[in-house]
Amino acid sequence: SQQGEEDPQALSIQEGENATMNCSYKTSINNLQWYRQNSGRGLVHLILIRSNEREKHSGRLRVTLDTSKKSSSLLITASRAADTASYFCATDPTGANSKLTFGKGITLSVRP
Amino acid sequence: EPEVTQTPSHQVTQMGQEVILRCVPISNHLYFYWYRQILGQKVEFLVSFYNNEISEKSEIFDDQFSVERPDGSNFTLKIRSTKLEDSAMYFCASRGALGAQYFGPGTRLLVL
Repeated sequence: SQQGEEDPQALSIQEGENATMNCSYKTSINNLQWYRQNSGRGLVHLILIRSNEREKHSGRLRVTLDTSKKSSSLLITASRAADTASYFCATDPTGANSKLTFGKGITLSVRP
Repeated sequence: EPEVTQTPSHQVTQMGQEVILRCVPISNHLYFYWYRQILGQKVEFLVSFYNNEISEKSEIFDDQFSVERPDGSNFTLKIRSTKLEDSAMYFCASRGALGAQYFGPGTRLLVL
């Protein structure tokens, strides 16, 4: 697998349920960022977690990072139909003007 | 809330023609990027730009591509002679002091 691989590839849940999406990566990172993309639209920055952090919260979002396992998870609690989108993790290797490497993304469908 | 803007939102061009995609990064950001996303594929890094010069470029960013910051606000990507395979969504991003990269809404380029 490549840097920034998410799983599952697709997730369908009922409104009100929690959605958990995972991301694995291969090389060391300075930080990891999660993005949302609605169909055919731009990338919306959700949250950044640094390599020395284990967990961050932002509203209904909770991100964890396990550098020993080279993995991160994004939890969306109490999902809404408006959360339907593709979600991407992106890794930043150095934190100093470095490029982001994106995964293929997870398609989340929240049924009303 | 400040955001990255891009123009045009859509561009249709004939193969071999030159196109210029424009971006206005967030005003106090110093690092700028171009990425592209071919339909159904990952977001791919093209080039990063800092202090009026290219910091890093990918293999995709060949001699047909160039970037410029012609004034204090605009950041442009020029494709000199477009090919069919250049059809993609092109995203501009700028990076804040804390490391998060904020993306514009994208320009959908279609080369016929």
